[in-house]
This record gives sequence, C-alpha cells and structure tokens, in this order.
Amino acid sequence: GESVGLHLPTLSVQEGDNSIINCAYSNSASDYFIWYKQESGKGPQFIIDIRSNMDKRQGQRVTVLLNKTVKHLSLQIAATQPGDSAVYFCAENAGTALIFGKGTTLSVSS
Amino acid sequence: ETGVTQTPRHLVMGMTNKKSLKCEQHLGHNAMYWYKQSAKKPLELMFVYNFKEQTENNSVPSRFSPECPNSSHLFLHLHTLQPEDSALYLCASSQDPGQTTYGYTFGSGTRLTVV
Repeated sequence: GESVGLHLPTLSVQEGDNSIINCAYSNSASDYFIWYKQESGKGPQFIIDIRSNMDKRQGQRVTVLLNKTVKHLSLQIAATQPGDSAVYFCAENAGTALIFGKGTTLSVSS
Repeated sequence: ETGVTQTPRHLVMGMTNKKSLKCEQHLGHNAMYWYKQSAKKPLELMFVYNFKEQTENNSVPSRFSPECPNSSHLFLHLHTLQPEDSALYLCASSQDPGQTTYGYTFGSGTRLTVV
C-alpha cells in the first residue's frame, strides 16, 4: 500500500554536529511534504515543508531535500543542539489527509 | 500553546466505561482530524471532518464514535474499549483537508490507558 517511512528509528549525534534524517515515500502522486518534530508530552509541531515542484527548501538551521526520482525526503539540521532532541516525522499529503511515517528519535548529547 | 486544545491530557478508563475526549481550536480552521499514536507505529488517521461533516472514517471500530457539533469543536466518544486501544490520541486542524500550506496544527494529545 501507499505509505511514508523513515530509514532509521534512532539517531544519536553530538552537540554542534549536523544531523540528517531520512524518509522514503511510495506515493509518486504526492505533491506536498512536511517534516514534524514531536517533543515528549507534546503533539507534532510543523518544522518545514516542501512542494513537489522544488528539490530544496531552507529554513532556520533546517533544510529539506526532495528527490522525486528515488522518492526520498531528508531533513538536515545544522549545528544540532540539545533542544533538537525529539522524534521527527515526515508526512505526505495524500489529498484528504496527511500520511505519516514511523519517526526517527534524535538524541543530542553535549 | 498551538491553538488546538485537547482535554483531558490523561485518561484511565475501564473496559466497560464510557468517556469522551474533547478538542477545541480557535484558529478559524474548517477541517479537524483524529489521529491515534501507538508506540513504534506511525500516526494512524481515524476520522476527518470538513465543515462539520465527516468526510473520512479510516475503518475505525464502532467503539470509537466522533462528533463535530461545529467547526471549532471535535469529540471522540469512547465505549467498551480494549486494552490495545491504549494510545495517545491526537487532534489536529487545518484550513481545509487538502491543506498544502503549513500542514496541520496538532494539540498535545490525550494519553489514554484502558485497564
């Protein structure tokens, strides 16, 4: 079936390193993708989005890359900080609702 | 505070109880959603409401009954639940179901434990 998934369930980095979180999607018709961050005890929060007519979009310390050829999405976090520790989800717009992947838990040690 | 408020934050209920989860948004959004978040699994879409009308029921068991009296409020009525229904229940809203700007705004969720 159609789904959005993440490659790694956990990622551990040192403070100051750059982090890369990956996601593979299977619905080639999806035209909008979002990365969410979920901290403990909270709901998912919007980080950055990208439309299918783009291959890169930058925010503050975050960059999303979209490779439609291999149906791959990635989130890059520059100079990772302890406050970035959370679960990260990618999601695709399936038309009537968002479909989410399983999530990657990012742990940042100082 | 995201603009989407869910109550209660925590709920413990027996399998024979009846309880309700409440979600309220003051963002002027027209679409509201219930998602279930279980450990080690992706967020699962349960229900979609657009302008108070249910537009999607993602094969959810009838022991979960949603209600949307207006575009700002969404309820999830629970009865005769099973222990495997224990999870974090998230409410979200968006301007419309096909939202392609900024995605959804989520509440903090209700942590449900069925005993």
